[in-house]
Amino acid sequence: ETGVTQTPRHLVMGMTNKKSLKCEQHLGHNAMYWYKQSAKKPLELMFVYSLEERVENNSVPSRFSPECPNSSHLFLHLHTLQPEDSALYLCASSLAEQSNEQFFGPGTRLTVL
Amino acid sequence: GNSVTQMEGPVTLSEEAFLTINCTYTATGYPSLFWYVQYPGEGLQLLLKATKADDKGSNKGFEATYRKETTSFHLEKGSVQVSDSAVYFCALRLNFGNEKLTFGTGTRLTIIP
Repeated sequence: ETGVTQTPRHLVMGMTNKKSLKCEQHLGHNAMYWYKQSAKKPLELMFVYSLEERVENNSVPSRFSPECPNSSHLFLHLHTLQPEDSALYLCASSLAEQSNEQFFGPGTRLTVL
Repeated sequence: GNSVTQMEGPVTLSEEAFLTINCTYTATGYPSLFWYVQYPGEGLQLLLKATKADDKGSNKGFEATYRKETTSFHLEKGSVQVSDSAVYFCALRLNFGNEKLTFGTGTRLTIIP
């Protein structure tokens, strides 16, 4: 138990669906992250939020839309995804953006049909 | 740019065998180095870290030494257990500013009784 929770743990959606992934951290951290984990590829950093402000968007397609309403919650809104977007989506948090250690949630396994 | 290269898996060992997972890096500055571990169904957890050359990180019987001359940070354990079965990620982060973690592709380790 790392103090970072993600829901749902598994999600299957069609290409025309709209869904959202949720992440919550109970650690009092100020930075939160979305990563995409695909087989045999390095973890891909998607978005970084620091003090609820988006500070990085790594050329992620607009069909992925993040939202950070407060420092404890992070969402990833999904719309008109493609089958190649199927992956494990990991949320992480750290005390500050400059912190060395990140704490990860268990991930949401997403399958796009 | 910065990158991390780790040995491709999967790696399968018998219980009590000696483990080495190779990791080498390329960095534009002086990084901190990390090993993260991902147990089945869970997110990544920091296993150990080293912040400067010749430092040795250690935890749970695992060790890794920051070798600047060979740009390496190989993970070792003298006697593995079934519970060590997981995916291991090598990562780096430059030691200034708001640099992000750069991960390797991960190495899946399976220990058989």
